[in-house]
Amino acid sequence: NAGVTQTPKFQVLKTGQSMTLQCAQDMNHNSMYWYRQDPGMGLRLIYYSASEGTTDKGEVPNGYNVSRLNKREFSLRLESAAPSQTSVYFCASSRQGDTDTQYFGPGTRLTVL
Amino acid sequence: GQSLEQPSEVTAVEGAIVQINCTYQTSGFYGLSWYQQHDGGAPTFLSYNALDGLEETGRFSSFLSRSDSYGYLLLQELQMKDSASYFCAVSHNNQAGTALIFGKGTTLSVSS
Repeated sequence: NAGVTQTPKFQVLKTGQSMTLQCAQDMNHNSMYWYRQDPGMGLRLIYYSASEGTTDKGEVPNGYNVSRLNKREFSLRLESAAPSQTSVYFCASSRQGDTDTQYFGPGTRLTVL
Repeated sequence: GQSLEQPSEVTAVEGAIVQINCTYQTSGFYGLSWYQQHDGGAPTFLSYNALDGLEETGRFSSFLSRSDSYGYLLLQELQMKDSASYFCAVSHNNQAGTALIFGKGTTLSVSS
């Protein structure tokens, strides 16, 4: 039982490049989330998916898109990366109706030059 | 909107007791959660309070007062491994579902 997995662990991009961060969970959770974490800013919600087939914006959605591919997988795409998107990105999942208990992946450390 | 306030840093010595406070402003409050994050690691769930009062889980306890929009995390018998960041979070409900909004975190440093 791997829990929540994220790929890649590290990534360096040049400004304007695109990439997709992958997230998968094997806990049969309905809800999945993407956060970014910057020093002194805590965790800020980018997008979330309450259940398969639905997605919604969080606090900081600009510059990102998401796809809930199936119940297990929730990807985050940067179409044209900017230095302001340098951050650590965490994916999380939870049972539907139990938003307060989230399980986090190990994170992706992204640097945009 | 939602906002949470917690101290940025707290220091303590091994064996001591420390309290990390959290005040919140939110529309449609459901409950207050606490997460722990070690340096370089992922956040992990510690506790959740939906009702007023104290919840105890081993050395950690969490308290909520809904009327005061206030809660705290109490850590007893501190150990070096408790050095980490601690985040409070509240549920935010909108038409698409429910998500968590996190505070900026409190860095706890435990010294010997």
